[in-house]
Order: sequence, then C-alpha cells, then structure tokens
Amino acid sequence: QVQLQESGPGLVKPSETLSLTCAVSGYSITSGYYWGWIRQSPGKGLEWIGSIYHSGSTYYNPSLKSRVTISVDTSKNQFSLKLSSVTAADTAVYYCARLLGGSYAFGYWGQGTLVTVSS
Amino acid sequence: QSVLTQPPSVSAAPGQKVTISCSGSSSNIGNNYVSWYQQLPGTAPKLLIYENNKRPSGIPDRFSGSKSGTSATLGITGLQTGDEADFYCGTWDSSLSAVVFGGGTKLTVL
Repeated sequence: QVQLQESGPGLVKPSETLSLTCAVSGYSITSGYYWGWIRQSPGKGLEWIGSIYHSGSTYYNPSLKSRVTISVDTSKNQFSLKLSSVTAADTAVYYCARLLGGSYAFGYWGQGTLVTVSS
Repeated sequence: QSVLTQPPSVSAAPGQKVTISCSGSSSNIGNNYVSWYQQLPGTAPKLLIYENNKRPSGIPDRFSGSKSGTSATLGITGLQTGDEADFYCGTWDSSLSAVVFGGGTKLTVL
C-alpha cells in the first residue's frame, strides 16, 4: 500500500522559503507515476502546486511557477517542495500525493501538514 | 474564483440520492478526464472517481460519475450520515497547463 508522509517546519517567516519533504513508503518512486503537491488555505478549496516524475521532469502551476521548485531524491524515496518569498497568503495545509496514471487524478494522499506564514 | 464551478452546498435525507455538478469549458472538462474527491472534516481528500466514471478499489458503487460536454456530475445514492463531507471535482486545463479543481461542494445529510 502506497503511503505518503509530509514533514517540515510548521511556521515560516514572511519573505523566507517554505521547504517540505514527502517520504514515500510501500512503493518505489523510480517505478513510475507522477508525484505532486497540493495545498488548501484555511476554509478554502484545493490548489495544485506542481508535479514531478522520478526522472526529475516537472510541471508547475503557472500562478506559482516563479516561486516553486519540486525535486526528487530517489535514494531516499522522497520528493520535496520549495516555495520562495512566502507571504501570509501561502498559509495552508500542504498535501503530497501520487497521480493514479495519465488522467491527472491523485489516487494517494499524505495526511497533510499545516504551514503558517507569520513573523 | 475557481476554474471549475460547483454549487457551494447540497443536501438530502438519509437513503436518498444526490447529485453534484461541476461545470467547466472546452479547455478542461470538455477535453480531459474528470476526477472527484471526498474530503471528510479534518482529513485529506480521497479519490472517489477517476477518468470520468471509474471507481478506485474500495469505493462503493453508491458513488458514480458521468460527463457530458463541458460538465460532469457526481452521484451518490443511499445517502448515509457518514457521507457528509466536502466534494471536489478536478481535471487538467489545457489552456492553463495546470491541474484545476472546483471550489468544492458541502454535502449535508439531513
């Protein structure tokens, strides 16, 4: 069974870089599929941040592209998110997830981690 | 303002059927697969439907999906109080080159 677990600081200062890691168990990232990050601001809907393939190929939400970097570490079976120049608007629960195939459906999700941007 | 439009809320009595709509355009729903997610309070979203009408293993057949043109619909039959949740539709938008979601619909089982 594929399991994902997010980790990282729960509090980030404005203008700094948010960094999160998603540890994957029960499945090898190198076996395929795209992996991604989605966030949800308090009381709001879902927003896709970006996705990565095990080869390192990435695609990002155009609205966040200038500030986002997603990378993969196959040796640790994990992938990471960096979001730079954060503001209060970036306060959200951040989820990592795995796509089910070629249909852009996220079939496996982590439990999510709340990141608050505040001084 | 979400790219995909969902009603903010729907409600129905236990045992009844409810449908949730998701409206888009030719750049998203019209030419791409639609997926549906259920988010119970305080939990991560869970995939209910993918590729318009397919259910992942473990999802009961009370949940169904359909698509027509630039709109999609999630149907839930035999409503249970445990079905109360937020539901989201999602798809790829070819113009935006992004995965997009609806604003979510809150289901209340009266």
